[in-house]
Amino acid sequence: QQQVKQSPQSLIVQKGGISIINCAYENTAFDYFPWYQQFPGKGPALLIAIRPDVSEKKEGRFTISFNKSAKQFSLHIMDSQPGDSATYFCAASIDTGRRALTFGSGTRLQVQP
Amino acid sequence: ETGVTQTPRHLVMGMTNKKSLKCEQHLGHNAMYWYKQSAKKPLELMFVYSLEERVENNSVPSRFSPECPNSSHLFLHLHTLQPEDSALYLCASSQDLLAGPYEQYFGPGTRLTVT
Repeated sequence: QQQVKQSPQSLIVQKGGISIINCAYENTAFDYFPWYQQFPGKGPALLIAIRPDVSEKKEGRFTISFNKSAKQFSLHIMDSQPGDSATYFCAASIDTGRRALTFGSGTRLQVQP
Repeated sequence: ETGVTQTPRHLVMGMTNKKSLKCEQHLGHNAMYWYKQSAKKPLELMFVYSLEERVENNSVPSRFSPECPNSSHLFLHLHTLQPEDSALYLCASSQDLLAGPYEQYFGPGTRLTVT
């Protein structure tokens, strides 16, 4: 049973546009929601993360929007650049216990120049 | 570099071979993880170690055998694998399991092909 559903599977955006990736979760015990970025030949790296006590977190061009009632969260990349082309994974974990991450299936983003 | 190294980066093995994947972290972390990454599927958590003790085994077949001799090193021993085991195997570490921060640092992975 996949506990974190991610969409779309792939995304093509023009340079300067907004990239939006969505995730939905099922386990209401999740309370930590990170996004990881993975370039070819590299492992995933933490990009930005949010906890459910806030509805939005922004770091530079990257913003997480969180909707607790809908059990959804999304990543917005403003002014998308070709260097943002990568695979993005949303994830979730519980704030106690082992804290291992449950990942979404990934979104391959291509930003065209 | 993330401070987590993995060797080898690529491995091709037959179904009757025995091989091992190695992971080393230089971050002073106490928790280490093995993940399997297959195309178009979520990263699958395989094993979790905390202070060299295995704390989680996510129903992984016995043909995968992890070993954590110390908090800096993690191995994944492979034997009699199946072609469907071909994937990217990622190692990760985090500072701790029972206290923050939560960030996991991933190695570059070992691309495994089973023939």
